[in-house]
Amino acid sequence: NAGVTQTPKFQVLKTGQSMTLQCAQDMNHEYMSWYRQDPGMGLRLIHYSVGAGITDQGEVPNGYNVSRSTTEDFPLRLLSAAPSQTSVYFCASRQSAYGSLSYEQYFGPGTRLTVT
Amino acid sequence: AQKVTQAQTEISVVEKEDVTLDCVYETRDTTYYLFWYKQPPSGELVFLIRRNSFDEQNEISGRYSWNFQKSTSSFNFTITASQVVDSAVYFCALGLFKAAGNKLTFGGGTRVLVKP
Repeated sequence: NAGVTQTPKFQVLKTGQSMTLQCAQDMNHEYMSWYRQDPGMGLRLIHYSVGAGITDQGEVPNGYNVSRSTTEDFPLRLLSAAPSQTSVYFCASRQSAYGSLSYEQYFGPGTRLTVT
Repeated sequence: AQKVTQAQTEISVVEKEDVTLDCVYETRDTTYYLFWYKQPPSGELVFLIRRNSFDEQNEISGRYSWNFQKSTSSFNFTITASQVVDSAVYFCALGLFKAAGNKLTFGGGTRVLVKP
């Protein structure tokens, strides 16, 4: 298993540009999520999905869109990039969306995004 | 709303010293999980431990130990006889069971620098 993969690893955008951060997992996990990591603020949940076709907002969803057309993929779209979206983005997946939290959450390697 | 506070932003120690990382959480839920993750300089997130709210037993794993006290809403982490490889950012996280899908709330992280 490749686990959770993210592409690209690094990206530089200009203000106003759009792009999609890719996330895929090959573990048949129900739950997938996107976090952003900013200095001193830990990881904050952007959007999450409890299964194909089902998504919901997290703590900081503004400026981001997601979709979950398959179990494996959970792309994050930046509609019009802003400097405030400069961050490191992590995708994560977990086997079960509900019930016990005893299932380990697997994180991808991260995407470092800079918006100038 | 839930919250995780890691009051120490950075701790610097000399190799072989012990270091304790504080984590205080807030939640009104009675059932929850607490986690610690390590983020080494390479950037990936490494799962260290998970503890559920019904189990207040302290745990030791090699040089790592965890002290969970519900009375003070704390889940502190101690590294004994620190090594340079322990240099990393450590995150405490709180996981809640929610009908809309389980989510993790992270603290701001504590950077540990172990000097030789």
